[in-house]
Amino acid sequence: AQTVTQSQPEMSVQEAETVTLSCTYDTSESNYYLFWYKQPPSRQMILVIRQEAYKQQNATENRFSVNFQKAAKSFSLKISDSQLGDTAMYFCALTDSGYALNFGKGTSLLVTP
Amino acid sequence: SQTIHQWPATLVQPVGSPLSLECTVEGTSNPNLYWYRQAAGRGLQLLFYSVGIGQISSEVPQNLSASRPQDRQFILSSKKLLLSDSGFYLCAWGGDKVLTEAFFGQGTRLTVV
Repeated sequence: AQTVTQSQPEMSVQEAETVTLSCTYDTSESNYYLFWYKQPPSRQMILVIRQEAYKQQNATENRFSVNFQKAAKSFSLKISDSQLGDTAMYFCALTDSGYALNFGKGTSLLVTP
Repeated sequence: SQTIHQWPATLVQPVGSPLSLECTVEGTSNPNLYWYRQAAGRGLQLLFYSVGIGQISSEVPQNLSASRPQDRQFILSSKKLLLSDSGFYLCAWGGDKVLTEAFFGQGTRLTVV
């Protein structure tokens, strides 16, 4: 069975600083996808970034990048130049079945002025 | 472009009353459709997914049910709500066949009183 673990329930960072959110996972499959989703106070789930397991290169999307360590089954999200609008719950998710996403419990990120 | 509509946005229902939440997708055909529930302070729990009309898979046994009467319509129902059914319900769609990413509706906040 696949599992996704986010060990940081809450984090805070000052505006313009860099913060890294941690995620570890477990799967017996060799081909899978990993995701980071953002859920702001509006509760809308927004896809931040996606990583395909068979790609060695870490995915990046503007200020968001991941550190994908396949052997360690680690998938951390780095947010550079943090902005107040980055305040949200961040969920790490995995799909290896091809049918559904399995989510971690989330990390609440607060960006302070 | 693809869009997903979910309604109502908020709902307050008495214990024992029925429930019907609707989700529709536009701009795509034969999507995989999902219902997730997010309890307060917790991650997302997959309730149901559907890979086609009339095809429903249940992940968690409970008093909820789902139906897919049309290709792009997914309905979450209950005959008698329980207090424990309170939560935030999210509909999502993914691409045809193998899931490589998922896009979410704006969610329904259900409060059972």
